[in-house]
Amino acid sequence: AQSVSQHNHHVILSEAASLELGCNYSYGGTVNLFWYVQYPGQHLQLLLKYFSGDPLVKGIKGFEAEFIKSKFSFNLRKPSVQWSDTAEYFCAVSSNSGNTPLVFGKGTRLSVIA
Amino acid sequence: DTAVSQTPKYLVTQMGNDKSIKCEQNLGHDTMYWYKQDSKKFLKIMFSYNNKELIINETVPNRFSPKSPDKAHLNLHINSLELGDSAVYFCASSSLAVGNTIYFGEGSWLTVV
Repeated sequence: AQSVSQHNHHVILSEAASLELGCNYSYGGTVNLFWYVQYPGQHLQLLLKYFSGDPLVKGIKGFEAEFIKSKFSFNLRKPSVQWSDTAEYFCAVSSNSGNTPLVFGKGTRLSVIA
Repeated sequence: DTAVSQTPKYLVTQMGNDKSIKCEQNLGHDTMYWYKQDSKKFLKIMFSYNNKELIINETVPNRFSPKSPDKAHLNLHINSLELGDSAVYFCASSSLAVGNTIYFGEGSWLTVV
């Protein structure tokens, strides 16, 4: 069975600081990897995804993530955060075969302070 | 146009009542899902339907019954609501034809009092 671990429960950063949120997954086969963001009181929005190819993927709003297969990791990064990045961030994985549902990590709350 | 739409967005109801949440997607996807997000923000799959057929049914009380009249709709009916059912319920859809990315609805905030 797949599982996803997000190491940080709550991260607090000042504006302009760099961000890295950790994500590790457990699955023996080929996976699709995702990061979703949930702004306060809102639904989940896709930030970026990795299916194959270049392991460094760029998403919306200046976010990027790097897939390191040997480490089963898919960490999310942003060089300079803004107050508007305050949100809950979810890493998720699905099997590369069939319409399989996403398995989510428990989320990391990011608070950006001015 | 909203790609995955759910109604109602907010629902407050008493214990013991029966309620439904409706979901429709206009993306032409063939797979739809219901996820539950608890008070700790943890997201967990409840059900998955592919072309109107149930393909995933996680450990969910049988008070929860999904119904898919066609592949664009997946409704969730909940009988005899309990306090612990209070959560945000997200509908979602996907299609292998577009890389199996899952798109979420805006969520339905259910509060049982």
